[in-house]
Amino acid sequence: GAGVSQTPSNKVTEKGKYVELRCDPISGHTALYWYRQSLGQGPEFLIYFQGTGAADDSGLPNDRFFAVRPEGSVSTLKIQRTERGDSAVYLCASSRDGYNEQFFGPGTRLTVL
Amino acid sequence: AQTVTQSQPEMSVQEAETVTLSCTYDTSESDYYLFWYKQPPSRQMILVIRQEAYKQQNATENRFSVNFQKAAKSFSLKISDSQLGDAAMYFCAYRRDSGGGADGLTFGKGTHLIIQP
Repeated sequence: GAGVSQTPSNKVTEKGKYVELRCDPISGHTALYWYRQSLGQGPEFLIYFQGTGAADDSGLPNDRFFAVRPEGSVSTLKIQRTERGDSAVYLCASSRDGYNEQFFGPGTRLTVL
Repeated sequence: AQTVTQSQPEMSVQEAETVTLSCTYDTSESDYYLFWYKQPPSRQMILVIRQEAYKQQNATENRFSVNFQKAAKSFSLKISDSQLGDAAMYFCAYRRDSGGGADGLTFGKGTHLIIQP
């Protein structure tokens, strides 16, 4: 019954390391979105899942970023060889079917030192 | 590509007064949706109001209403009887109505709304 949850809430890592960010959508929501929000900016779309498949990954900035949703529920955003420019809040949202309201999680603040 | 512009980085209003936040957008699509989201310091984005482009009537939700001018590509948010709890970042967002599937949202840079007691 809870909303969208994201873990961890904060993540500090060193340049070059690998990180995974997790999103638990609202139960029964088939659509899931990832956004990145840099300081002082609005969120930027990264990727959209409908079920298990990535319906649109046009927002992923480069091949260091990858996301999965193997069972059509929980999603993991994976960032390889992190760079300081990857520091941002990563927001996840889910929607009942992609056409209705997107409900957002509280985000994960990633800091790359 | 579509863009969303919020020209007011910060707005301040006295409690109980009315404030209007501006938003313009650029798109070549005829079918789309527009949204206003509120983001308090907790970071959680909350939907305030939504407008379908095919609807001529402006959306309203209690103290929140919009002025949607499709030809001018303008979508402003009016908050009446401002309350301290309205203080937050407000983001205007656009979503194309692609028919075959839903797209991600395109956001503006946001307006920081301050409520003076």
